[in-house]
Amino acid sequence: GENVEQHPSTLSVQEGDSAVIKCTYSDSASNYFPWYKQELGKRPQLIIDIRSNVGEKKDQRIAVTLNKTAKHFSLHITETQPEDSAVYFCAASRSYGNNRLAFGKGNQVVVIP
Amino acid sequence: DSGVTQTPKHLITATGQRVTLRCSPRSGDLSVYWYQQSLDQGLQFLIQYYNGEERAKGNILERFSAQQFPDLHSELNLSSLELGDSALYFCASSVNDGETQYFGPGTRLLVL
Repeated sequence: GENVEQHPSTLSVQEGDSAVIKCTYSDSASNYFPWYKQELGKRPQLIIDIRSNVGEKKDQRIAVTLNKTAKHFSLHITETQPEDSAVYFCAASRSYGNNRLAFGKGNQVVVIP
Repeated sequence: DSGVTQTPKHLITATGQRVTLRCSPRSGDLSVYWYQQSLDQGLQFLIQYYNGEERAKGNILERFSAQQFPDLHSELNLSSLELGDSALYFCASSVNDGETQYFGPGTRLLVL
């Protein structure tokens, strides 16, 4: 099945700087890649997703890029704010066969005021 | 609000006991997933149901079981509870396999 890995496990950034989290996946047939944000004690919430027919997607201060050749995708957060501090999970799935979303282990992002 | 509901929000019980966690998926979603999240841990996939049938199993202990009912709500049963079962239990739902999963607020279980 699909195996998703996230790097780095913890990321500290100064408020206002950018943060980048990278995920790699193993299944070349995967074509759907969502990102979830989980604040302490709360549920994971979808913040952005991308499908394999596009290379980049942006939504205000967040963006996701996809490199299908290298089998990795990244979350970019610009102008970070304290409320961006959370755990971020990436996931991947394919549209057929064993296609349950496979989650990475999560990245802790800490924005230092 | 994701549209996925879970009850109860909190549960405190003793070792050896049995509890049932309940989940109602978003309207129209056929798949229900259960996850366990221990302190500072990732999301451990337990089990998935699709339209009433078990679809996939993850790291689910034999002491745990689940089912999905005709109205598509699901229950996760945890028995012979141990201290290490204390965790956040999330339910998620999706329209179909491989699609976006929407998470409920979770049930926080504390086993004393």
